[in-house]
Amino acid sequence: DTAVSQTPKYLVTQMGNDKSIKCEQNLGHDTMYWYKQDSKKFLKIMFSYNNKELIINETVPNRFSPKSPDKAHLNLHINSLELGDSAVYFCASSQGGSLTDTQYFGPGTRLTVL
Amino acid sequence: GDSVTQMEGPVTLSEEAFLTINCTYTATGYPSLFWYVQYPGEGLQLLLKATKADDKGSNKGFEATYRKETTSFHLEKGSVQVSDSAVYFCALRVTGNTPLVFGKGTRLSVIA
Repeated sequence: DTAVSQTPKYLVTQMGNDKSIKCEQNLGHDTMYWYKQDSKKFLKIMFSYNNKELIINETVPNRFSPKSPDKAHLNLHINSLELGDSAVYFCASSQGGSLTDTQYFGPGTRLTVL
Repeated sequence: GDSVTQMEGPVTLSEEAFLTINCTYTATGYPSLFWYVQYPGEGLQLLLKATKADDKGSNKGFEATYRKETTSFHLEKGSVQVSDSAVYFCALRVTGNTPLVFGKGTRLSVIA
């Protein structure tokens, strides 16, 4: 069973379009995250949710809107896509609350904006 | 702010060579430290972690020791294999619900 899954794995779209990436975890974790990995492999946190509540928003443009319908899901909607949004987006989850918690990552969604 | 600095890659080694990837950190408080590995085309997997000074994390022949005095968490392996070729990320976390702060990653290529 996949612990953290993301769909789609690849997403190719035109500038100006709106797209969504879905994430689901079956680990019973309380906290979920979205990270962005750029072309140089640098990973940066975008959002963090705990029990469906947003707890971290790292100066991400408001074209990006996360939605957590329940504890097991954290979806990412992106409006008016720009070339600079091309990257690999990783969802992750952790039990939360402990400094030593392991974060489990999904396989990533490679977004290409043309 | 909190940050992690890793040695620049790429690192290319022959099979059975000794590996060291340097990692130093800056953090307020007392962080937990992690090494994650990303194999080609995959997501990140936890490789090992350490939660207090002098703790040694180890897994799959890799080791790293939490050195508070030098704020370091260097990754080592005595004999690398081709299958170890991947990107390695050092990371820290300073409080429970916060996300990881990653270094920029070090690409390792092991040739037969």
